[in-house]
Amino acid sequence: DGGITQSPKYLFRKEGQNVTLSCEQNLNHDAMYWYRQDPGQGLRLIYYSQIVNDFQKGDIAEGYSVSREKKESFPLTVTSAQKNPTAFYLCASSIVGQTGEKLFFGSGTQLSVL
Amino acid sequence: QKEVEQNSGPLSVPEGAIASLNCTYSDRGSQSFFWYRQYSGKSPELIMSIYSNGDKEDGRFTAQLNKASQYVSLLIRDSQPSDSATYLCAVVNDYKLSFGAGTTVTVRA
Repeated sequence: DGGITQSPKYLFRKEGQNVTLSCEQNLNHDAMYWYRQDPGQGLRLIYYSQIVNDFQKGDIAEGYSVSREKKESFPLTVTSAQKNPTAFYLCASSIVGQTGEKLFFGSGTQLSVL
Repeated sequence: QKEVEQNSGPLSVPEGAIASLNCTYSDRGSQSFFWYRQYSGKSPELIMSIYSNGDKEDGRFTAQLNKASQYVSLLIRDSQPSDSATYLCAVVNDYKLSFGAGTTVTVRA
């Protein structure tokens, strides 16, 4: 079955530590996105990529980094510079130009600080 | 001003009633509008899309768009307990989706 796989489902970060969230898709989508969701709030865009080896900052990129070395993979690193990383992180993908009606989400990663 | 704003919740409605959700957006050039439903701890799922002024109906859901007023709404008719969720309004800007904060709906049995 085609879809997006995020791992792990739950992740704990110690202060000063970098952690990486995995996102893999087998939908052959060119565009991939990372969103952050805080309790009671909507989704905020962290980074997005429309093609391999290229990505752009979203609205809240500070303290995060990404790579897009393969079409299928778009990992997100939460660096120690992100002082308030506790949130629900969602990865999504779409065909370029069809954001919205054909946006597929992963099941999410809940990141908490120890 | 936020790009997408939704009426504050939570919204509690009795079973069988109509739930009305509102959303305004700031970019007058936006052309594509969506409503997502999100259950607690789950990822959002698309329930409605609308691109033209007027109403669009899909089962118990009706989306309404007024581009002149920069306003999108969602009506849920004959509300069921399974409709209890957070509803997110989303607007496409420059190939990216911008989301509102969401309105949490609780349907009372």
